[in-house]
Amino acid sequence: AIQLTQSPSSLSASVGDRITITCRASQGISSALAWYQQKPGKAPKLLIYDASSLASGVPSRFSGSGSGTDFTLTISSLQPEDFATFYCQEFNSYLFTFGPGTTVDIE
Amino acid sequence: EVQLLESGGGLVQPGGSLRLSCAASGFTFSINAMSWVRQAPGKGLEWVSAISASGGSTYYADSVKGRFTISRDKSKNTLYLQMSSLRAEDTAVYYCAKDRRATTVTGRFEEWGQGTLVTVSS
Repeated sequence: AIQLTQSPSSLSASVGDRITITCRASQGISSALAWYQQKPGKAPKLLIYDASSLASGVPSRFSGSGSGTDFTLTISSLQPEDFATFYCQEFNSYLFTFGPGTTVDIE
Repeated sequence: EVQLLESGGGLVQPGGSLRLSCAASGFTFSINAMSWVRQAPGKGLEWVSAISASGGSTYYADSVKGRFTISRDKSKNTLYLQMSSLRAEDTAVYYCAKDRRATTVTGRFEEWGQGTLVTVSS
């Protein structure tokens, strides 16, 4: 089964900061990767699919890149509503593995 | 507006059974693949099961294979998850999720319900 690791596991940042979260797959998955945002007590929300395609209604400050085994999610200018936990997820196999998550909180 | 409304969660004893439902509206349910994803308290996300639009193809995580059954009723626009031989480690919030514009299962979870809590405990 494909394993996903995320780094960092948590980070503290300020409004306006540019942040990058990394997701690494244990084997190549082409561009079959998505990113989700989850706020406490809420359902996850799709941000990015196919590694770099922005989901409908998602602000352009979110972007994704990468292919193969290494992927990144970047928020160009952190907004107050962006503080949350972010998960990557692969859909290269029919096991749809999620990464362990990266929590972004206010510095 | 897409709406996914899960129900059927609750407290069940180990070894027991439970059926979850997910009522869908705001999109053409019959042409969309669907999935269940769960989240144990304080933990990350775990995909559980998926079904194609026709219902002809189903997929399961190894952790639930042989114990859970996914199904759908297009006349009721409803997705189901029949859970049996429940274990403490099945305790979680269960979300239904709509695949992104696909009749086949692609794993791009575009829309999510609010979740229903299943607690397995004696």
